[in-house]
Amino acid sequence: KAGVTQTPRYLIKTRGQQVTLSCSPISGHRSVSWYQQTPGQGLQFLFEYFSETQRNKGNFPGRFSGRQFSNSRSEMNVSTLELGDSALYLCASSQGQKNTEAFFGQGTRLTVV
Amino acid sequence: GNSVTQMEGPVTLSEEAFLTINCTYTATGYPSLFWYVQYPGEGLQLLLKATKADDKGSNKGFEATYRKETTSFHLEKGSVQVSDSAVYFCALSDRSGDSSYKLIFGSGTRLLVRP
Repeated sequence: KAGVTQTPRYLIKTRGQQVTLSCSPISGHRSVSWYQQTPGQGLQFLFEYFSETQRNKGNFPGRFSGRQFSNSRSEMNVSTLELGDSALYLCASSQGQKNTEAFFGQGTRLTVV
Repeated sequence: GNSVTQMEGPVTLSEEAFLTINCTYTATGYPSLFWYVQYPGEGLQLLLKATKADDKGSNKGFEATYRKETTSFHLEKGSVQVSDSAVYFCALSDRSGDSSYKLIFGSGTRLLVRP
């Protein structure tokens, strides 16, 4: 079974630009969650999508948004990039229930200059 | 709100030493508990999980027991290898609304194993 695939692996963007990151979950998984990892704040939850609907959202500004397609693939978008958005963005795929584990992709390393 | 507290790192051990990484949690209800491991430049890999009190999760020689009375989920391994060097994250599943769950992570503990 193929794992969670995130593209691209690395990105360098300029302040003020926008960026779109992609995540393909494990086949059969309907839940996709996104997390931001930084040295200062650690791992923080961004949002979760299940069957194309956002079910849960973390405490991030509206510049961070996402969506999920009918094949469960998900994208997240960050507009008007700031230097502080530099981070590793991780996507997690699961069946979306309490006791099921989440499987993570390798992440997209975003650097804002 | 729910939270996870891990011991500060780095933890430096010699090969074949015994490992303990402490993890305590604060939660309402009975969350599932997880340990994830992150190798340099990689995403998170699930190491083990426990879904209810007194459950023991185990994998690759690592073990952790869900202790409700002490709200703890400490990670242990009897004999570490150099290849175990990584960052370890303790996490709980936090319920939101009717059916959504998110992971709340501890700050991570870096383990360095020397030959």
